[in-house]
Amino acid sequence: EVQLLESGGGLVQPGGSLRLSCAASGFTFSNYAMSWVRQAPGKGLEWVSTISDGGGFTYYADSVRGRFTISRDSSKNTLYLQMNSLRAEDTAVYYCAKDRGSSGWEPLDYWGQGTLVTVSS
Amino acid sequence: EIVMTQSPATLSVSPGERATLSCRASQSVGSNLAWYQQKPGQAPRLLIYGASTRATGIPARFSGSGSGTEFTLAISSLQSEDFAVYYCQQNNNWPLTFGGGTKVEIK
Repeated sequence: EVQLLESGGGLVQPGGSLRLSCAASGFTFSNYAMSWVRQAPGKGLEWVSTISDGGGFTYYADSVRGRFTISRDSSKNTLYLQMNSLRAEDTAVYYCAKDRGSSGWEPLDYWGQGTLVTVSS
Repeated sequence: EIVMTQSPATLSVSPGERATLSCRASQSVGSNLAWYQQKPGQAPRLLIYGASTRATGIPARFSGSGSGTEFTLAISSLQSEDFAVYYCQQNNNWPLTFGGGTKVEIK
């Protein structure tokens, strides 16, 4: 059974940093691209970032490029999102999701339950 | 950026009736279109990918159609568990983009 378990969310001040983690199990982690998708309170879904199976390719939404960094550690079956220079508009539930394929071009077939990030003073 | 527009924003349907949801892309995405279902307090679930292929475990009452810029998700006979918010997403171009969602509510 595929499981994705996010952690690392919490309350942070504007301008601060946070690192999210997503522990994956139930599939061969190194064979699939992985993504982060966020959802602000009461709003729709917003794609944030994707990393290819081997980590050689990364993609970012314009709203986070230069501030967020996606990475993965296949030895630990874990996906990360380093978030710097956080803003109030980054407040959201952040979901980790598994791509159907290896490159990042496929839809997201499994999702974690999400971790809440709140940016506020 | 490809803008995905869903309509209507809210759809009121009686159990057992058919629901039809629309998604329009600002430029062609071919068949690279997915549909997701999200219930309150839960993560999204993949329903349809490639515009018309049901994901694993998705009941046959869900069907997707369309290509290019116009897409449709149909639910043939709404069950109680189908009342939720539905999102379309294009995976043809970066950045990947979602529609604003259609809420299917009980009439």
